[in-house]
Amino acid sequence: GDSVTQMEGPVTLSEEAFLTINCTYTATGYPSLFWYVQYPGEGLQLLLKATKADDKGSNKGFEATYRKETTSFHLEKGSVQVSDSAVYFCAGCRRALTFGSGTRLQVQP
Amino acid sequence: DAGVTQSPTHLIKTRGQQVTLRCSPKSGHDTVSWYQQALGQGPQFIFQYYEEEERQRGNFPDRFSGHQFPNYSSELNVNALLLGDSALYLCASSQGAHQNTEAFFGQGTRLTVV
Repeated sequence: GDSVTQMEGPVTLSEEAFLTINCTYTATGYPSLFWYVQYPGEGLQLLLKATKADDKGSNKGFEATYRKETTSFHLEKGSVQVSDSAVYFCAGCRRALTFGSGTRLQVQP
Repeated sequence: DAGVTQSPTHLIKTRGQQVTLRCSPKSGHDTVSWYQQALGQGPQFIFQYYEEEERQRGNFPDRFSGHQFPNYSSELNVNALLLGDSALYLCASSQGAHQNTEAFFGQGTRLTVV
């Protein structure tokens, strides 16, 4: 079946540092890919998405590019803020979402 | 727009009991999906309802069942509760069930089985 693997956390960074959270997927065909974020005490929110190869999703300074050749969808941000501290989930979707296990990001002032 | 609403927010049940969780989708959405999120893990797909029928199902036993009503709201029922059923149960709604469709999530129901 489909599966999503993302780097384990927690990831601890200083404010303004560069962020990369790796995500790779295994699926039949080419699912749409998503990054969801879960802020403390809140529900899951869609951060960005890409629906086909070479698509780049972007939102709030975060970016991820759908790489078919490496089956990857790594999340990046050039300069993180304390307010970015949250749990980030990579997910693929053909008929329903398949999530990775989540990566906790802690940004220190 | 109230978004996706779930009730109750917290629930404690005894092993062997039955539980019903409820979800109202975001306005304009007709598809409801349920997910189980164990502590420290990503959500796992239970099933999806569209036009009052179960359309997709994940790898969950028959103890997990559901229903969708004509107003698109949905219930998740779990029978013969096990300690391992303790988790956060998330409801997500969308317009249709296509792979490109954005799903909106509720805050979840925290179920504790003792």
